[in-house]
Amino acid sequence: EDKVVQSPLSLVVHEGDTVTLNCSYEVTNFRSLLWYKQEKKAPTFLFMLTSSGIEKKSGRLSSILDKKELFSILNITATQTGDSAIYLCAVEERGSGGSNYKLTFGKGTLLTVNP
Amino acid sequence: KAGVTQTPRYLIKTRGQQVTLSCSPISGHRSVSWYQQTPGQGLQFLFEYFSETQRNKGNFPGRFSGRQFSNSRSEMNVSTLELGDSALYLCASSWSGRSGANVLTFGAGSRLTVL
Repeated sequence: EDKVVQSPLSLVVHEGDTVTLNCSYEVTNFRSLLWYKQEKKAPTFLFMLTSSGIEKKSGRLSSILDKKELFSILNITATQTGDSAIYLCAVEERGSGGSNYKLTFGKGTLLTVNP
Repeated sequence: KAGVTQTPRYLIKTRGQQVTLSCSPISGHRSVSWYQQTPGQGLQFLFEYFSETQRNKGNFPGRFSGRQFSNSRSEMNVSTLELGDSALYLCASSWSGRSGANVLTFGAGSRLTVL
């Protein structure tokens, strides 16, 4: 069973639309949740969230975490064609080795922004 | 400063062969993680190395192995290749003074095709 579930899996919008991407997780020893954007090959870091209710913002992108309900959302306002990418959510949890941590990714949301 | 460098970028192998992929992390980064990315499964964690020691391991068969050198460069090897090993293999590095990958910087990946 997947520990990190992203929805929707794909989304097509028009420029100027606002989108909300979802990420729910189920891990035992949560440490942080991260969002990445993957345009061509290498995913690039967007946000890291560790505390509930505190919004992280960067330009038109923002994200928030709810540790009680175990989910995060990534909002993109006034979308542009350059926002077309796969958006990846990852959860950092304590691994089976005790002090080790590992990062588990969701399958991603493919966002297509049409002009 | 230079990013994470992966070589080769593309390669084609046949079933039964073995392959070695290389990753040079960002200077000063001591943790290197490897991920396999396929359309159906998303990013799946292979293993993480820190100071030449494997610190974490995913759920892949023993055909997948890796190592890290004293200069933090890492290699991963896949033996007895199967068609299902066709994927984008991503390497990521982080400073990670403690156990845990948190904010990773990814390389552009090595695209492996097994025929």
